[in-house]
Amino acid sequence: DGGITQSPKYLFRKEGQNVTLSCEQNLNHDAMYWYRQDPGQGLRLIYYSQIVNDFQKGDIAEGYSVSREKKESFPLTVTSAQKNPTAFYLCASSRTGVMAFFGQGTRLTVV
Amino acid sequence: GENVGLHLPTLSVQEGDNSIINCAYSNSASDYFIWYKQESGKGPQFIIDIRSNMDKRQGQRVTVLLNKTVKHLSLQIAATQPGDSAVYFCAERLGGSNYKLTFGKGTLLTVNP
Repeated sequence: DGGITQSPKYLFRKEGQNVTLSCEQNLNHDAMYWYRQDPGQGLRLIYYSQIVNDFQKGDIAEGYSVSREKKESFPLTVTSAQKNPTAFYLCASSRTGVMAFFGQGTRLTVV
Repeated sequence: GENVGLHLPTLSVQEGDNSIINCAYSNSASDYFIWYKQESGKGPQFIIDIRSNMDKRQGQRVTVLLNKTVKHLSLQIAATQPGDSAVYFCAERLGGSNYKLTFGKGTLLTVNP
């Protein structure tokens, strides 16, 4: 069954900790994306990657880091430098930048 | 992105009516547009897309209209059903090889039975 899998669905982080959100796709898509969504707001781009071993900053990259060592995987690390990390995080993938497919999201809460 | 607070634009319609959701996009160089539907607590789901060389595209019960002169996109849903209740987002892609998709703020559609 093809698709994008994000894990975990819910994640709790203590202040000062780094956490890594997983995103895996088996759609053979070249491009992958991470978005952040806050309540009642749209999606803001954190990072995106067009090919393996390459990625670009989006609009709100500060406090986040990514890697793209494999085509199917694009993990996002929320570092302690991110001052307000509580949000809904969405991963997506696409062929050549069109019609991005989204995962079901990870809700991160700082406790 | 801009902070518009917790109040999304809303549209409330009766079941069976047609719905029109509007979106103003930001960049005249954008060449590709997508509409997504997002139900509460879930990831956005693709509805329909349109390239900038078209002004209309139809799907099953949905039509997207593109007016490049005024940088306006609309999504029309025919015979709206309770299951259509969700937040709808438009997204634009800047022309060229840029893969970056930029999303609008979203509109909350509520369908009353």
